[in-house]
Amino acid sequence: EVQLVESGGGLVQPGGSLRLSCAASGFTFSSYAMSWVRQAPGKGLEWVSAISGTGVSTYYADSVKGRFTISRDKSKNTLYLQMNSLRAEDTAVYYCAVGGISYYYMDVWGKGTTVTVSS
Amino acid sequence: DIQMTQSPSSLSASVGDRVTITCRASQTISSYLNWYQQNPGKAPKLLIYVATNLQSGVPSRFSGSASGTDFTLTISSLQPEDVATYYCQQSYSNPWTFGQGTKVEIK
Repeated sequence: EVQLVESGGGLVQPGGSLRLSCAASGFTFSSYAMSWVRQAPGKGLEWVSAISGTGVSTYYADSVKGRFTISRDKSKNTLYLQMNSLRAEDTAVYYCAVGGISYYYMDVWGKGTTVTVSS
Repeated sequence: DIQMTQSPSSLSASVGDRVTITCRASQTISSYLNWYQQNPGKAPKLLIYVATNLQSGVPSRFSGSASGTDFTLTISSLQPEDVATYYCQQSYSNPWTFGQGTKVEIK
């Protein structure tokens, strides 16, 4: 069974850092681009970042560029999102998904992990 | 960035009604348009990919169509389990962008 499990969310102060993880199983992880999508409380979906299967190509939303870094570890079948200089507006549920870049849709999603940025 | 405009933002229809949701792109996106369904507190679920392709396991009452920069999601016969928020999303160019969502309720 294809499965994605996010972890690493929590409460962090403005200006702080957090690293999210997404453990993948049930498919050949390195063959697929992966994405992060977030949803602020009561709001719609916002694509955050994507990474190619090889990890060579990465893309970011303007709202997080320069603060967030997406990466992946083939040996651990895990996707990461390093989030620095966090702001209140980064408060959201963060989902990882299979898809992105030249894989033109996101067909498998994790259940999400909640990030709250507050003092 | 490509802007995706969905309409309506919400709708209420009766069980068995035909429901249509529209999404308009601010520029050409070819057919790179996907539709997702999201129930409250749950992750999004892919319904339609690349404008007209039904994702495996999705009921056939869901369908997608395209005309230029206008895209449509149709539910041919609304069922109680279809109560959800629906989002369109373009994958033509980065950054990928979503529509603002359409909340569907039962009348």
